[in-house]
Amino acid sequence: GNSVTQMEGPVTLSEEAFLTINCTYTATGYPSLFWYVQYPGEGLQLLLKATKADDKGSNKGFEATYRKETTSFHLEKGSVQVSDSAVYFCALMSNAGGTSYGKLTFGQGTILTVHP
Amino acid sequence: DAEITQSPRHKITETGRQVTLACHQTWNHNNMFWYRQDLGHGLRLIHYSYGVQDTNKGEVSDGYSVSRSNTEDLPLTLESAASSQTSVYFCASSDGSLAADTQYFGPGTRLTVL
Repeated sequence: GNSVTQMEGPVTLSEEAFLTINCTYTATGYPSLFWYVQYPGEGLQLLLKATKADDKGSNKGFEATYRKETTSFHLEKGSVQVSDSAVYFCALMSNAGGTSYGKLTFGQGTILTVHP
Repeated sequence: DAEITQSPRHKITETGRQVTLACHQTWNHNNMFWYRQDLGHGLRLIHYSYGVQDTNKGEVSDGYSVSRSNTEDLPLTLESAASSQTSVYFCASSDGSLAADTQYFGPGTRLTVL
């Protein structure tokens, strides 16, 4: 079945530091890949996505590249801010059709705390 | 603006009671989903629906049920609440017209079963 593995957290950084959160996946076919972010006390919201190999998703200074050869979709940001403190979820959506259609499989989430 | 709402936001109940969590979306989306969020597990799919009168089981459906009588609502019912169902529950919806549709999440319901 489909699965997503994220790096262990929590991650604590100082403001303006470089961020990487690793994400690898296992899936049949050619899934679409997502990063969702959950700010304290809120629901999840889409941060970025990529639908095919070598696509780069980007938003709010965050980037992730769909690497089919390494089955990875690592999240990066060059300079984090205190306001980036949140929980980040990597997820995949299988495009294989059938019972997998339209459903997200999530990683366990990574808590990011950024200090001033 | 279109939105997705959940109620109640917090609920405390006792073991064995029936509980219903409401989810309402105003996007006119075909697809609706219920997830539970537990530390170390991320979000896990409970039930989902691709349209009116359609419901399907997710990976952790035991002890839960849903019904879809209109496009806007997908209530989640815990038939006989158990302490293992203490969790944060999120409802989501998507348009369903594309394979990589964005899912839009509600604010969540924190349920405690004593």
